[in-house]
Amino acid sequence: DTEVTQTPKHLVMGMTNKKSLKCEQHMGHRAMYWYKQKAKKPPELMFVYSYEKLSINESVPSRFSPECPNSSLLNLHLHALQPEDSALYLCASSQDLELLSGANVLTFGAGSRLTVL
Amino acid sequence: QKEVEQDPGPLSVPEGAIVSLNCTYSNSAFQYFMWYRQYSRKGPELLMYTYSSGNKEDGRFTAQVDKSSKYISLFIRDSQPSDSATYLCAMSARYAGGTSYGKLTFGQGTILTVHP
Repeated sequence: DTEVTQTPKHLVMGMTNKKSLKCEQHMGHRAMYWYKQKAKKPPELMFVYSYEKLSINESVPSRFSPECPNSSLLNLHLHALQPEDSALYLCASSQDLELLSGANVLTFGAGSRLTVL
Repeated sequence: QKEVEQDPGPLSVPEGAIVSLNCTYSNSAFQYFMWYRQYSRKGPELLMYTYSSGNKEDGRFTAQVDKSSKYISLFIRDSQPSDSATYLCAMSARYAGGTSYGKLTFGQGTILTVHP
């Protein structure tokens, strides 16, 4: 299994809702990532988990709350979002944080497209 | 100035053309270079990975790195309509402490359309 699976594919939520995005990989990767991508822009790093511990938080607003329940799963909890948070949210994984060889590269999921009304 | 500059295009070429996609970078710490392809409404997928200056070939794709000029390229030969996508260059570095911290720096992406 060489896939990163994200659910749901599409999500529409109001500004007062609480929802979650889920990500799963079964490649034995120990680093998992959340990226945000706006239209016609490159992915922007939000969070990095290494061995189930939060390694990087790129100054993301607290209305986004990541969680890594185990080495295969990554969640992104959403609460009180703003319309400008509408974007494609990408999960990715890699063997570890050392993205310094062809044997350890980022594998992305298909993304969850979020619309905040 | 952005660390990585990539012409966003859009680039439109006829089927069979040779396509050249380019990125320049300013941070000499970047040592590892990747090209990702992203189809509309999908996640990026890795196309090519290179480390050394020079060329690396994989089928119709050739990745070229010139570290002295801080310039990387992706060439697509005999382009096909199925190559229509956004192409993102990405780079990683070994920072102080000897780790990359899981960080990639992406270019803006070039939108490519290959028309039949």
